[in-house]
Amino acid sequence: QVHLVQSGAEVKKPGSSMKVSCKASRVTFSSYIINWVRQAPGQGLEWMGRIIPVFGTVNYAQKFQGRVTITADESTSTVYMELSSLRSEDTAVYYCAGENMITLGGDIVPVAYFDYWGRGTQVTVSS
Amino acid sequence: SSELTQDPAVSVALGQTVRITCQGDSLRNSYASWYQQRPGQAPVLVIYGENNRPSGIPDRFSGSSSGNTASLTITGAQAEDEADYHCNSRDSSGNHVVFGGGTKLTVL
Repeated sequence: QVHLVQSGAEVKKPGSSMKVSCKASRVTFSSYIINWVRQAPGQGLEWMGRIIPVFGTVNYAQKFQGRVTITADESTSTVYMELSSLRSEDTAVYYCAGENMITLGGDIVPVAYFDYWGRGTQVTVSS
Repeated sequence: SSELTQDPAVSVALGQTVRITCQGDSLRNSYASWYQQRPGQAPVLVIYGENNRPSGIPDRFSGSSSGNTASLTITGAQAEDEADYHCNSRDSSGNHVVFGGGTKLTVL
């Protein structure tokens, strides 16, 4: 089964940037979608965006547009998520989650469900 | 604010049946998926598509949908089912993903 390994916990200052990684194994990386989902303390899950390496496509949630960048390094099967201009409200556990694609009406589209998850990366933003 | 709405908390007596719901306009055109999350752990997919369970998920978990509402039903709830349950789907544009706010299930 797919294995997603995330980078370790970070503590950041307000106004700085964070960059979290997610290394995938046991999967054809180029055709597998990696999403980023975060969870603030005591809150629900929040989708941030996804990358589809085979198409070079990146989608971002409107809330994070302009502040988040998701990239992929196919040589190492690793996806990165960078979030800038950090504030205390960005304190959360950040998860990467895997997603497959299906053919629907002649188009290849993401399935919109996440069957594998990383263990999460705790990011704390504090002065 | 989330485009999918869930009740914050639901309780069920041990061995009884419980339904957890998820409402949103996007559910008229897309199936919801459901995730179980125990404290301190990553979410686990329990239901996807029309009513599909990944390998290893007990058959007491089932999913259904009607109009703008998706439901996760646990038939014969067990103590280990006590957890947070999150729904998600494509958003109305079809290009993004949305999550509900999550439902905390207590098994009494």
